Amino acid sequence: QVQLQESGPGLVKPSETLSLTCTVSGGSISNYYWSWIRQPPGKGLEWIGYIYSNYRGITNYNPSLKSRVIISVDTSRNQFSLKLNSVAAADTAVYYCAKMDPSSGPDSWGQGTLVTVSS
Amino acid sequence: QSVLTQPPSVSGTPGQRVTISCSGSSSNIRSNTVNWYQQLPGAAPKPLIYMTNQRPSRVPDRFSGSKSGTSASLAIGGLQSEDQADYYCATWDGSLNGWVFGGGTKLTVL
Repeated sequence: QVQLQESGPGLVKPSETLSLTCTVSGGSISNYYWSWIRQPPGKGLEWIGYIYSNYRGITNYNPSLKSRVIISVDTSRNQFSLKLNSVAAADTAVYYCAKMDPSSGPDSWGQGTLVTVSS
Repeated sequence: QSVLTQPPSVSGTPGQRVTISCSGSSSNIRSNTVNWYQQLPGAAPKPLIYMTNQRPSRVPDRFSGSKSGTSASLAIGGLQSEDQADYYCATWDGSLNGWVFGGGTKLTVL
């Protein structure tokens, strides 16, 4: 079973860009679906989007975040990344990366990383 | 407001059977399979049920899932103290073209 580990700054200023990377180990990142999911403190889970790591790099984003999100993949490093721009306090959350099965959804999760948006 | 509706909390005593409901619509639960996740305090969610009623090999058969129409349920039999956690349902929504989660249910073992 693959293992996933999120990394990136834990503090981002309002209006700036949140950038996170997920490193996949124990298997190849190619030809699988990879997703980002977040959880504001004390609240529920919200799907951000996913990428399919083939040559096309097809993406699909949550409509409520679509205008601010980019998910990309670097197969040479076995990593995929999240960029969320124009962040505000409401974007403060634990961000999880996950491997996704197209039929059964997220099936392997990283441990999560807390990102706080504050000046 | 979550697309899928779960009760905020449920409780039970050790050995008891409890169920957690997840209410959706024709664009999500009626049309697609449902997943359930268990989230222990301070930890990442873990898959508990996938494709409505399938269990990963590590999950005991005390946990079971079902679906009828636009609602799904998670049943936990023989309740144990270690089952105290938050539980989330999730499925694909064809109208939103994305994955949606329930708001989560906190299970307390009395």
